[in-house]
Parts: sequence; structure tokens; C-alpha cells
Amino acid sequence: KQEVTQIPAALSVPEGENLVLNCSFTDSAIYNLQWFRQDPGKGLTSLLLIQSSQREQTSGRLNASLDKSSGRSTLYIAASQPGDSATYLCAVNDYGQNFVFGPGTRLSVLP
Amino acid sequence: DTAVSQTPKYLVTQMGNDKSIKCEQNLGHDTMYWYKQDSKKFLKIMFSYNNKELIINETVPNRFSPKSPDKAHLNLHINSLELGDSAVYFCASSPRIGSEQYFGPGTRLTVT
Repeated sequence: KQEVTQIPAALSVPEGENLVLNCSFTDSAIYNLQWFRQDPGKGLTSLLLIQSSQREQTSGRLNASLDKSSGRSTLYIAASQPGDSATYLCAVNDYGQNFVFGPGTRLSVLP
Repeated sequence: DTAVSQTPKYLVTQMGNDKSIKCEQNLGHDTMYWYKQDSKKFLKIMFSYNNKELIINETVPNRFSPKSPDKAHLNLHINSLELGDSAVYFCASSPRIGSEQYFGPGTRLTVT
């Protein structure tokens, strides 16, 4: 059964810093992996989707990488801003049948 | 232009009641999902429908019954509500099975 973990559980950084969020999964036979952000009391916003055949995806200041063999993905945020403060979730898709979510990393970017 | 919408946003009800949550997507997607986010913020899939057909039913009590009248709608009916059903319920959709998901704003259900 696929299990997804995220480290750290919470992170606080000063504005302007580059940072990395980690996502680990136990079964490397995945179809794709998706990163989301969730603002308090709100729904999830899709950030990036990486297919199993891809190594990375970029959108603006965000870069997500995928290493299937080691069961890891990272989300790199460049030049962080207070508006980046949110909970970041990764979700692993087991060949189109099921999305398994990690517990999330709560990010605070201090002005 | 709301992509995935849910009603109601908040729902407070007593134990034993029956309630429904509605979800609609205007993205033309084939696949829709229901997720439950508990008090510890863990998101867990409950159901998945593709072209109105149930494809995932994750060990959810049979008090929960999804209904998909058409591809754009997936409703969730809950019978005999229990305290443990209190959570935020999210609807999501994707163009096809396993592709990028788009989430609704959530329905906060409180059972007293």
C-alpha cells in the first residue's frame, strides 16, 4: 500500500530565501505526482504535475523534481515571498486509480 | 468562472440526520472525486467516478452514497450522520482518470 510522507512538517523562513520541500513515497510504480498548495480554510490549488517519465517541471519560481527509483520528489521555491505562506501537499497517483496524499508541509514566509 | 463548485460551504447538523453535498464542474472533465480532510488535515480519497461510473470506493461506510446524474455533477449523500463524519469534504475533477486534479472550495460538515 502506497504511503506518502513529507518533511519537514513545518518550515519558517525569511522573505527572499530559496527553499526545498520534500515528498517521499514507498512504492515507486507511480503514474504521476502532483503538488498543491492549500491556504487556510480554502481548497487546494494545483501547482505542478510531473508524469512518471519526467524528471522535473517548472512554473515561474517553482520547480518540482521527481526521482522514482528513490521514491522522492522535491518542490523548490525560489525567492520566497509572504504570499507563498500556505500548506504544500504532494499527491502520488498509482497508475490512474488512486491519489494518495502526504500530510503536508506548513510554510511561513516572514516579511 | 468557478471551475469546481460545491454547495453548501458550511453544514451543521445533528447526529442521525441525512444530508447531501453537491458538486458541479464546468471544465468538461470526465472524472470526479470526493475526498475527506479530517481534523489532522489528512486528505483521503473516498470515491472516484469516470463518465458517471464508479471506479474507486475506498473503505467508506455504506452510509455514504455518491450519485453522478451526469459527467458534470457528483453529489454525496450521507445517511445517519455520526460525530466522526465531521470533516471538510472536497470535490475534485480531472480531464481523465489519473490526470491533473482541480479542487472545489470544500464543504465543512459539523455533526453535533
